[in-house]
Amino acid sequence: AQKITQTQPGMFVQEKEAVTLDCTYDTSDQSYGLFWYKQPSSGEMIFLIYQGSYDEQNATEGRYSLNFQKARKSANLVISASQLGDSAMYFCAMREGSGGSNYKLTFGKGTLLTVNP
Amino acid sequence: NAGVTQTPKFRVLKTGQSMTLLCAQDMNHEYMYWYRQDPGMGLRLIHYSVGEGTTAKGEVPDGYNVSRLKKQNFLLGLESAAPSQTSVYFCASSSPGAYGYTFGSGTRLTVV
Repeated sequence: AQKITQTQPGMFVQEKEAVTLDCTYDTSDQSYGLFWYKQPSSGEMIFLIYQGSYDEQNATEGRYSLNFQKARKSANLVISASQLGDSAMYFCAMREGSGGSNYKLTFGKGTLLTVNP
Repeated sequence: NAGVTQTPKFRVLKTGQSMTLLCAQDMNHEYMYWYRQDPGMGLRLIHYSVGEGTTAKGEVPDGYNVSRLKKQNFLLGLESAAPSQTSVYFCASSSPGAYGYTFGSGTRLTVV
C-alpha cells in the first residue's frame, strides 16, 4: 500500500482563488511528520509547511495552511489567494518514527497545479 | 551560501558506462539521502546514510552503490548505467530530531 497518496495528478485554479491539494497517508506510527514541498519548473525542492502528528493546531505559513485531519489520515494543503507564481508541482511527504529513527521522507507522486490569469 | 551541492548538474552516459554523483553539505548534518525523481512517480529513496561510514538501502537501491567516507560527502555510483536509470537525482541532508531537510538542486542524468 502506498504510504502517501495524492489523488489529483493535475489541478487548475483561477488567480486569487483558494485551492486545496489532497494528501492522505498511511502509517501505524503514533509519531510522524507531514510535509509539503513545491517544485517549480526550475526543479528545486522548496519546503512549504510542516505538521507534526502531535500538533493540535493546523500549521500555517503565510498563504499556506495544512488541513490536518488525523482520524482520516489526511493532510491537505490549502493555498489561499493563488498567484501565477504558485504554478508548480506540489509534493506531500511523510516522515515516520521519532528520535533516532525519525529521518527518511516518503513522497507522494505529486500534483501539478496550474494557476490561470 | 550554506547548503547541499550536487556535482554534476547534467550528464549524458552511454549504456554500460560508470559514473559517480557527488553530494556535499556544509551544515554538519548527520543524515544524507539520495532520491531519484521520475515523471509521475514522485521522489523515491535510493540509499541513505545516518552517519559517517554508514549506508543503507532505500526503496529503489538496485543498480546503485553509495559511500560516505566523510560526514560532509555522500557519493552515488552507477557501475554499469542502464537507460532505466535516466532520471533526475536529488541529494538531501537533515539533522536528527529536526524537521528541516535541505535539498540539492538536482542532477539530470540521461543514459542512452
